[in-house]
Amino acid sequence: AQSVAQPEDQVNVAEGNPLTVKCTYSVSGNPYLFWYVQYPNRGLQFLLKYITGDNLVKGSYGFEAEFNKSQTSFHLKKPSALVSDSALYFCAVRPYTGFQKLVFGTGTRLLVSP
Amino acid sequence: SAVISQKPSRDICQRGTSLTIQCQVDSQVTMMFWYRQQPGQSLTLIATANQGSEATYESGFVIDKFPISRPNLTFSTLTVSNMSPEDSSIYLCSVIWGERYGYTFGSGTRLTVV
Repeated sequence: AQSVAQPEDQVNVAEGNPLTVKCTYSVSGNPYLFWYVQYPNRGLQFLLKYITGDNLVKGSYGFEAEFNKSQTSFHLKKPSALVSDSALYFCAVRPYTGFQKLVFGTGTRLLVSP
Repeated sequence: SAVISQKPSRDICQRGTSLTIQCQVDSQVTMMFWYRQQPGQSLTLIATANQGSEATYESGFVIDKFPISRPNLTFSTLTVSNMSPEDSSIYLCSVIWGERYGYTFGSGTRLTVV
């Protein structure tokens, strides 16, 4: 069965500093990996996805993520955090083949201080 | 990407009553997904709805409690039946769009049962 782990409930970072939100996954075969962001009282917004190809994926709002197959990780990164990046971030996975169900991690709350 | 209109955005309901949530997509999609996000929790898949067939429910969710309709390729409804305070959650619909397996989410329905 597929699963996603986000080991940090919360990440705190100062504005202007780099940020990393961690995600590891378990899935049969090759994965499709996704990052979503949720602002208060809002739905999920798509940030980026890894399907195939380059391990470094660039997404919306300056975010990027690196796929590491050997470590089964897909950490979300941004070189310089903004206060407006403060939100809840979800990592999700589905297998490359088979049923197209997304499985989500438990979420990581990112707090960027001024 | 596909655009989803989800209604209502929020509601406060009396226990024992039912609420029907609607999702309208601006393009034809084969699969639609319904998720629940309990307070402070991650997203849990309730069921998958394909047009022309009965919905497929995940473990822990049953049709009598969460009946789903999928009358065509652009519309689906989820009903939360005989509600109790434990049903207070955000409910989201989602679709797969395009060839690159992107997932789009509705803005969510915030349900409070009193």
